[in-house]
Amino acid sequence: DAGITQSPRHKVTETGTPVTLRCHQTENHRYMYWYRQDPGHGLRLIHYSYGVKDTDKGEVSDGYSVSRSKTEDFLLTLESATSSQTSVYFCAISEGPLEAFFGQGTRLTVV
Amino acid sequence: KQEVTQIPAALSVPEGENLVLNCSFTDSAIYNLQWFRQDPGKGLTSLLLIQSSQREQTSGRLNASLDKSSGRSTLYIAASQPGDSATYLCAVYSNTGKLIFGQGTTLQVKP
Repeated sequence: DAGITQSPRHKVTETGTPVTLRCHQTENHRYMYWYRQDPGHGLRLIHYSYGVKDTDKGEVSDGYSVSRSKTEDFLLTLESATSSQTSVYFCAISEGPLEAFFGQGTRLTVV
Repeated sequence: KQEVTQIPAALSVPEGENLVLNCSFTDSAIYNLQWFRQDPGKGLTSLLLIQSSQREQTSGRLNASLDKSSGRSTLYIAASQPGDSATYLCAVYSNTGKLIFGQGTTLQVKP
């Protein structure tokens, strides 16, 4: 399995609080991605990174920010969590347009 | 904007049948196409990667084809087994660096 670790794996938080999810890789891959998965919507791209400090928006970036200060870590922050951000969040890595590998996901519940 | 569609959304077949899952995409300017499998409550597992210069890839009972000009890919599963029951997702890696997913086909293989 590709070395991808997402933390935490489960989190319950209150509306209005900031939340940070972490994706850590040991593969030294250039690209890292954050997705959310919801019933009826499949996987939707939130943000992605193509290098340290190089990030871009995906399809559903509103309410989310990201940071990548080193190759191995890609952080996703919900600035002020809302119930609509209750979802399963997946991180993925790839070395350019090559095979992508996914983490095990983080289940986030906003109450 | 790249859009990826998978048909059918769900499929139920008896064990032993050969079956085809379909994936279509709107922008043919892609670098590759990847098929994934997802078991309930789990992350995504990579099945096959087809580079844009390739027409097909095979792994065991799985065969994936790619026709860039028509914006289509198919995943062929031979001699289906109950253990093949899962959701199958296709994703295209676009020339903008994004990995865009279809909504998936949920397959049930009945013993």
